[in-house]
Amino acid sequence: DQQVKQNSPSLSVQEGRISILNCDYTNSMFDYFLWYKKYPAEGPTFLISISSIKDKNEDGRFTVFLNKSAKHLSLHIVPSQPGDSAVYFCAARRNNRLAFGKGNQVVVIP
Amino acid sequence: DVKVTQSSRYLVKRTGEKVFLECVQDMDHENMFWYRQDPGLGLRLIYFSYDVKMKEKGDIPEGYSVSREKKERFSLILESASTNQTSMYLCASTKNRVNTGELFFGEGSRLTVL
Repeated sequence: DQQVKQNSPSLSVQEGRISILNCDYTNSMFDYFLWYKKYPAEGPTFLISISSIKDKNEDGRFTVFLNKSAKHLSLHIVPSQPGDSAVYFCAARRNNRLAFGKGNQVVVIP
Repeated sequence: DVKVTQSSRYLVKRTGEKVFLECVQDMDHENMFWYRQDPGLGLRLIYFSYDVKMKEKGDIPEGYSVSREKKERFSLILESASTNQTSMYLCASTKNRVNTGELFFGEGSRLTVL
């Protein structure tokens, strides 16, 4: 039972444009949400997070938006760079355990 | 910087073999986790541990066991490997039980079971 869902498994975007990744969740008890980035042959690395009591968190080119009523969060990358080409995983925390989505492949075209 | 080291990047084993995957972290983290990553399924939690000699089942523990004899080391054991355990295995750690969920991952161990 997938509690964290990432649809549209792949995204291609031109360098300099915005990348938007979406994530939906089903469990209203999640209290913290995170995005991880993964390059091939490497482990995922933490990118950005947001508490359930907030609706936006920004860190440089990365912004995460949370819409609790819709159980939806999104990651915006502006401007996109070729080095952003990776798989992005959405994760949600409950009871100190993380549930991950399936991941989104992002390809940034130079 | 936190370093999580997985002993083997690539392994090839035969069905029925016993497989050990080792993970060591160097930042005195209390929590350690084992995930597997499969295409189209994302990361799924196998087992985790909040302390030495302590372990808890994750979402898919069947066919696996773990060992945490020392704080820095968390081992994943496949008692009798099967082909459906062919996967990328990822070890991760966090500082303590009250944390933000920010996991530090190792580089992964790609296991192929023939």
